[in-house]
Amino acid sequence: DQQVKQNSPSLSVQEGRISILNCDYTNSMFDYFLWYKKYPAEGPTFLISISSIKDKNEDGRFTVFLNKSAKHLSLHIVPSQPGDSAVYFCAASGATSYDKVIFGPGTSLSVIP
Amino acid sequence: DAGVTQSPTHLIKTRGQQVTLRCSPKSGHDTVSWYQQALGQGPQFIFQYYEEEERQRGNFPDRFSGHQFPNYSSELNVNALLLGDSALYLCAAGPRDEQYFGPGTRLTVT
Repeated sequence: DQQVKQNSPSLSVQEGRISILNCDYTNSMFDYFLWYKKYPAEGPTFLISISSIKDKNEDGRFTVFLNKSAKHLSLHIVPSQPGDSAVYFCAASGATSYDKVIFGPGTSLSVIP
Repeated sequence: DAGVTQSPTHLIKTRGQQVTLRCSPKSGHDTVSWYQQALGQGPQFIFQYYEEEERQRGNFPDRFSGHQFPNYSSELNVNALLLGDSALYLCAAGPRDEQYFGPGTRLTVT
């Protein structure tokens, strides 16, 4: 039973354009959401997060949108750069900072120069 | 870079054997979580240690156990290895909002 879903295993985008990565979740108890980026042979690195009390959070070229009623979030990368090519994991957690983090299966993003 | 190190990098074991993986959070984070990442999947939460106690546990059998030492380093032990235990094992230091991952240990069970 996958509580965090990323239905697109891969995505290919032209350099300079927008990358949109989508994520759906099923557990309404999730209260905090994170995006991680992973390069080969490295551990995931934190990218951006959003609490359920917000519907948008922005950090430079990265913006995360949360639609609680639809149990859906998305990560926008504008403009996309070749160095953004990596696997992106959506993750969700409960209300407290020590709650376990549940990851989605990931989306492999390729940014074409 | 919080400098989370894991050892060994790669490991090959036979079914039925036992394995111990190690994690050292250089930054001194008191919370350590372990994840299993099978090929083509996202990391799956195994358990979390805080102040030497297991605080949270995911849906993994008792064959998976752990330990945290006073210096916050941690070990993951897996007994009676199965072929399905072949995966990348990731250690993460810090609370949910500030988790730093190590590069992982690649375990292959033959």
